[in-house]
Amino acid sequence: EDQVTQSPEALRLQEGESSSLNCSYTVSGLRGLFWYRQDPGKGPEFLFTLYSAGEEKEKERLKATLTKKESFLHITAPKPEDSATYLCAVQGGSSNYKLTFGKGTLLTVNP
Amino acid sequence: EAQVTQNPRYLITVTGKKLTVTCSQNMNHEYMSWYRQDPGLGLRQIYYSMNVEVTDKGDVPEGYKVSRKEKRNFPLILESPSPNQTSLYFCASSLSGQVNTGELFFGEGSRLTVL
Repeated sequence: EDQVTQSPEALRLQEGESSSLNCSYTVSGLRGLFWYRQDPGKGPEFLFTLYSAGEEKEKERLKATLTKKESFLHITAPKPEDSATYLCAVQGGSSNYKLTFGKGTLLTVNP
Repeated sequence: EAQVTQNPRYLITVTGKKLTVTCSQNMNHEYMSWYRQDPGLGLRQIYYSMNVEVTDKGDVPEGYKVSRKEKRNFPLILESPSPNQTSLYFCASSLSGQVNTGELFFGEGSRLTVL
C-alpha cells in the first residue's frame, strides 16, 4: 500500500526566511509525485508533477525536488501570500491510477 | 473559465435523508473523482471514474454511490446519510485517466453536516 508522510505538520516563517517542506513516500513503482497548495475553505490547487529521481520543477518562489524516497518543496524568500497548506500525493504503479495524499504541511508566513 | 462546480456548497441534513451532491466540469476531462477531507485524516478517495459509464471504488466507498452518464457530470449520492459522513467533500477532474491523472482540478468543496 502506498504511503505518504509530510513533515513538519506546521511551519511558521518570517517573511523572507527560506525553508523546505518534506514529503517521504513508499510506493511500488512511482508513476508520479504531485504537489498541491490548499487555501482555507478552497479546493487544492495543482502545483507540480515530478516523475523521476533528480527531477526539479520551479514556479516563482517554489522549487520541488525528488529523490527515490522523498520530495522537498523549497520556499525561497517567502511572502505572506505563500501561507497555505501544502499537500503531497503519489501515484504508484500498482494503484490503478489512485492518488494517495499526505496530511499536509500548514505554512504560515508572518510579515 | 475552466472550472469544476459542486452543489450544494453547504448542507445540513438529518440521518437517513437521501441527498445528492452534484459535480460538473467544463474542460472535457475524462477522469473524475470524489474525495472527502477530514481533520487528521487528509484527503481520501471515495470513488473515481475513468470515463463515461466507467466507475470504481476508492479507499472509502461505503455509504456512497456514483454514476457517470455524461462526461461532464459525476454526482455523489448518499442514500442514507449517517453522522460519520459529516465531512468536506471535493470533486476533482483531470484530462486523462491514463496520463497525468494526478494533475487534478478541484472544485470548491461541499461541506456536509449530518445530524
